[in-house]
Amino acid sequence: GENVEQHPSTLSVQEGDSAVIKCTYSDSASNYFPWYKQELGKRPQLIIDIRSNVGEKKDQRIAVTLNKTAKHFSLHITETQPEDSAVYFCAARAGGGADGLTFGKGTHLIIQP
Amino acid sequence: DGGITQSPKYLFRKEGQNVTLSCEQNLNHDAMYWYRQDPGQGLRLIYYSQIVNDFQKGDIAEGYSVSREKKESFPLTVTSAQKNPTAFYLCASSIIGSANEKLFFGSGTQLSVL
Repeated sequence: GENVEQHPSTLSVQEGDSAVIKCTYSDSASNYFPWYKQELGKRPQLIIDIRSNVGEKKDQRIAVTLNKTAKHFSLHITETQPEDSAVYFCAARAGGGADGLTFGKGTHLIIQP
Repeated sequence: DGGITQSPKYLFRKEGQNVTLSCEQNLNHDAMYWYRQDPGQGLRLIYYSQIVNDFQKGDIAEGYSVSREKKESFPLTVTSAQKNPTAFYLCASSIIGSANEKLFFGSGTQLSVL
């Protein structure tokens, strides 16, 4: 099955700086790569996703890049703000339909004032 | 915030006891999922269902069972065979189809062993 590795496990950045979280996946058939944000005590929520036919996708301060050859994808957050503090999970899914996502172990992003 | 509801918020299990976690959604989603969340372990898939009366095992199905008798409901039973049940359990649902694969999560159930 799919295996998703996520790094780093903890990331501390100064407010206003950029943050980058990286993930690798094992199944070359995977074609959907979402990122979820989980604030303390709350449920995970989708913040951005990318499909294998696209190399990059942006949404305001958030961007995701995908390198299919190397089987890795990254989340980039620019101009970080205190409300960006949370745990971020990457995930991957092979095939279509409703097969479950395989998640990475998460990155705790801390924004230092 | 609504749409998918989990209950109870906290649950305690005694040794040898089966307990059932409830998950209900009013989003008319076909697919429903159960994930287990442990500190530093991410979310691991227990079971999922794409249609009523059908479900598939995920990566860590041993010691768990599910049913899908209604589209809106996907209860999870943690059986006595699950030796390490203490965790945060998240239910999710989604529309089937490549155009929209977003998972909608419930607020979770924290299960602890007495």
